[in-house]
Amino acid sequence: GQQVMQIPQYQHVQEGEDFTTYCNSSTTLSNIQWYKQRPGGHPVFLIQLVKSGEVKKQKRLTFQFGEAKKNSSLHITATQTTDVGTYFCAGSGPKGSGNTGKLIFGQGTTLQVKP
Amino acid sequence: DTAVSQTPKYLVTQMGNDKSIKCEQNLGHDTMYWYKQDSKKFLKIMFSYNNKELIINETVPNRFSPKSPDKAHLNLHINSLELGDSAVYFCASRLAGVSDTQYFGPGTRLTVL
Repeated sequence: GQQVMQIPQYQHVQEGEDFTTYCNSSTTLSNIQWYKQRPGGHPVFLIQLVKSGEVKKQKRLTFQFGEAKKNSSLHITATQTTDVGTYFCAGSGPKGSGNTGKLIFGQGTTLQVKP
Repeated sequence: DTAVSQTPKYLVTQMGNDKSIKCEQNLGHDTMYWYKQDSKKFLKIMFSYNNKELIINETVPNRFSPKSPDKAHLNLHINSLELGDSAVYFCASRLAGVSDTQYFGPGTRLTVL
């Protein structure tokens, strides 16, 4: 079945350093979403990428969707302590009849930021 | 007002018991999901309902039975609880055909002793 792999599993950075997490799917995706889960919290939607090669920015966060629509990355510039949490990518399979909106989540990357 | 709510927030119970978790959303969404998050934070889809119809039923023990009385509610009943059922269970919802974005509830932390 469809799998979404995410690396690294953990990342510890000094405040001010950059951070990147990578996501790879075994199959072509119709879109990819990114979620953030704060410690003790629930996943919160950050962004959705749909087009091949798409790049989107949210302040210090940059999201990319690969040309083949099978990989994605999230890059945070100059991390802050408020960035702490687990970042998940979630892929949605090819669109078609009976689309259930099923998301396959990556394993998540837990980011720790030392002040 | 909470968009997606779950009760209870914490549930501690003995092995062999039967328990239920409730989920409600006031977003007007028509599709709801149950996820299980294990101790390693892996999020796994369990079930999904669209307008009270079961549309996703992953490989889950039949001790787990979802019920959707209406499109704003999705409950999860678990029979004969086992130690391995300990996890955080998240409910989520979305509006099919409009957006793939899912909105998650706060989670229910289930501990089976």
